[in-house]
Amino acid sequence: AQSVSQHNHHVILSEAASLELGCNYSYGGTVNLFWYVQYPGQHLQLLLKYFSGDPLVKGIKGFEAEFIKSKFSFNLRKPSVQWSDTAEYFCAVDTGNQFYFGTGTSLTVIP
Amino acid sequence: DTGVSQNPRHKITKRGQNVTFRCDPISEHNRLYWYRQTLGQGPEFLTYFQNEAQLEKSRLLSDRFSAERPKGSFSTLEIQRTEQGDSAMYLCASSFNRGLGYTFGSGTRLTVV
Repeated sequence: AQSVSQHNHHVILSEAASLELGCNYSYGGTVNLFWYVQYPGQHLQLLLKYFSGDPLVKGIKGFEAEFIKSKFSFNLRKPSVQWSDTAEYFCAVDTGNQFYFGTGTSLTVIP
Repeated sequence: DTGVSQNPRHKITKRGQNVTFRCDPISEHNRLYWYRQTLGQGPEFLTYFQNEAQLEKSRLLSDRFSAERPKGSFSTLEIQRTEQGDSAMYLCASSFNRGLGYTFGSGTRLTVV
């Protein structure tokens, strides 16, 4: 069955630290990949997306993600986090028929 | 506001009652999706429409759940004979065809007491 795995359930970082959140998916066909963010009390917002081409994609607020097809991974990165990045982060995969979300990673950034 | 709109924002209902939620997608989006999200989990796919056609339903969508999109614009999600396990955030999202990313609404939080 198709699935999306986010290995880090809760990450705590100090401001200015670097961030990498893991995401792996299981699906053999062509996929589109996404990272969404959910700030406390707010709805899901798109951070970035990958369709094709350059596997390194840049999103809003300084986030980027790299698609490594051989590893079925789409990890999210940010060189220097801010307190305002405290949120829940969801990786998602669009197989064409369904849109699967991971269980999310809660990021807490300590000032 | 040109985003995805969901009503109501919160709904508290007694077990056994029926509830109906509404979603108004972005007007030019032809695809509309319903998801359910519980605490500590990612959104779980329930169903989606392309225009007025309901193209896919998750196994999570029991026979107590029904969704409609009669004119290919707004959609309703009805839960009959609610159970405490139905308590969750119900999210609606819309997109213009596959792969362009979805725009989510703020959700309807259902509490069954």
